[in-house]
Amino acid sequence: DAKTTQPNSMESNEEEPVHLPCNHSTISGTDYIHWYRQLPSQGPEYVIHGLTSNVNNRMASLAIAEDRKSSTLILHRATLRDAAVYYCILRDVGGANNLFFGTGTRLTVIP
Amino acid sequence: GAVVSQHPSWVICKSGTSVKIECRSLDFQATTMFWYRQFPKQSLMLMATSNEGSKATYEQGVEKDKFLINHASLTLSTLTVTSAHPEDSSFYICSARPGGSYNEQFFGPGTRLTVL
Repeated sequence: DAKTTQPNSMESNEEEPVHLPCNHSTISGTDYIHWYRQLPSQGPEYVIHGLTSNVNNRMASLAIAEDRKSSTLILHRATLRDAAVYYCILRDVGGANNLFFGTGTRLTVIP
Repeated sequence: GAVVSQHPSWVICKSGTSVKIECRSLDFQATTMFWYRQFPKQSLMLMATSNEGSKATYEQGVEKDKFLINHASLTLSTLTVTSAHPEDSSFYICSARPGGSYNEQFFGPGTRLTVL
């Protein structure tokens, strides 16, 4: 499975935008880029996914590099409820199509 | 949105006993369900994948005779930890994918197992 690399931790001030980076230099053509987040003592929650084009939804935006070797999850205004571990995952819909979690980025939101 | 429930949310048992954890998709039919395990301060590890009506596919290093998975219906999967030991204490999380979907996958709230 193609691997992703994320910073272990990041901090953001409340109500400011947050850019969470993810490198996936070995991404293949059938890999979708998925982002999930996990709040403490809860199961993961879907955030967003994309293939080539940038994506927006009510939770976040996903900016995908033109060569698809990196992506950035953008939270437009961080709230205390956004404090979580964010996972960037490549999902090969042409293969096993399983979600394998890496170490993720622990986001701390400072009031 | 799609909801996945787990029962129980936590369980404490004695070493050597077996524990069953249920996972249900409440408002959709899940042809594929997944079981993950998460140790403290670590990431989720996929244990097995199951399709309704067929045997589960276990990831490398996961003992199929210890972690019994039954996906008897399109809305229910169970994980039984047999002869549990303290090292099996962990956070077990199930996940479900709706039939016909390639990208959607919904997670349950998790079950915390403590083996004394």
